[in-house]
Parts: sequence; structure tokens; C-alpha cells
Amino acid sequence: AQSVAQPEDQVNVAEGNPLTVKCTYSVSGNPYLFWYVQYPNRGLQFLLKYITGDNLVKGSYGFEAEFNKSQTSFHLKKPSALVSDSALYFCAVRPPGDSSASKIIFGSGTRLSIRP
Amino acid sequence: DAGITQSPRHKVTETGTPVTLRCHQTENHRYMYWYRQDPGHGLRLIHYSYGVKDTDKGEVSDGYSVSRSKTEDFLLTLESATSSQTSVYFCAISPGQTTYEQYFGPGTRLTVT
Repeated sequence: AQSVAQPEDQVNVAEGNPLTVKCTYSVSGNPYLFWYVQYPNRGLQFLLKYITGDNLVKGSYGFEAEFNKSQTSFHLKKPSALVSDSALYFCAVRPPGDSSASKIIFGSGTRLSIRP
Repeated sequence: DAGITQSPRHKVTETGTPVTLRCHQTENHRYMYWYRQDPGHGLRLIHYSYGVKDTDKGEVSDGYSVSRSKTEDFLLTLESATSSQTSVYFCAISPGQTTYEQYFGPGTRLTVT
């Protein structure tokens, strides 16, 4: 079955330190991969995506993500965390060859907490 | 929130009553989706639409129906609400084609007592 896993329910980082939020996927072929962020009482906001090309993609708010095909991973990273980065982060995958309506599979989410 | 509104934003209803949630977009996007968000489950797709009057089921469609009579509106109906349908419901839109990311509305918090 196609799936997305976020192995950490919570990640705690000190402000100014680098952060990584992990994501692995299980789909056949070459998937499209996404990261979203959700602030309290808000909808999800699109951060970045990987479709093809350079394995390192850059997105909003200084975030980037690295696609690793051999490890089937798409980890979210930021060189220097801010307190305002504290939020719930979702990894998502669109299976390849899905011609119908761009259905996306979401991970269960990782809560990122940045301490001052 | 990308030209998407949801109404109502909060609703409390009793078990067995029908409930309709509305999603309205001003982006003229072809694809629209309804998700529910529950702790530990991320977002799960309920139904989606790929055009006016064209809809299909997602992974958790039991107990829900949808309708799309206009490009801009996508309605989600709980025919007879149950406590297991207490959740936060999100609508999303996508232009499709080569733009696969989805854009989300602010959500509706539904409590079924």
C-alpha cells in the first residue's frame, strides 16, 4: 500500500540551531513530494515540493528539503530555527501515474517546537 | 488562505441530525477536496471533485456525501451525524494539470454530541 511515514511525533530544537523533520514514503515509481505547515487554528500552507530535477528543493520561510531516492526519504530542513517555526508539519506524496485529480497522501504530522 | 472560504467555521450538532458544510473558492480551480483531520491520522480524504457534477470517493467516504453544482462551491453533507464524525474538516483546491499542490481553506470544527 502507498504510504507516507513521519517517524517523529515531536521534534524539539533550540532557536538558532539547525532542524530536520523526517519523512519517508512507500510508493512505486517516482512520486511527487510535498511539505505543508499548519499553524494553530489555521489550514495547511504549502511549503515546497519535489517533482523532478535537483534533489535539494527550496521553499518558503527558509525551508528546504532533500529528496533521496535510494532511502525513499524527503526530509525537511532549515539551517537556523526560529521560534516562529513552531508548528505542525506534514509530509505528503502524490503517487506517480495517478491521473485522477491529484490525490495526495498525507503523513500523520510532526509537531516542531523551537525553544528560545 | 488562497481564496478559499469555509462555512460555518464552528458547529455543534446532535447525533442523528443532517449537517452541510460549504467550501467556496474564487480561484476557478478545477479540483476540490474534502479532508478530515484527527489527531494521529493526519489528513484523510473524504471526497473529491474533478469538475462540476463530477465527484468521487476518498478513503473515508462512508457517512458522507458531496455535491458540486458550480465550479466555486463544493458541499459536504453528513446525512445523519455520528460522534465519530467529530473532527476538523478542511477543504482544498488545486488547478491540477502540472500544478499538483493543493491549497487549503481555514477549516470547520464540527462537534457531534
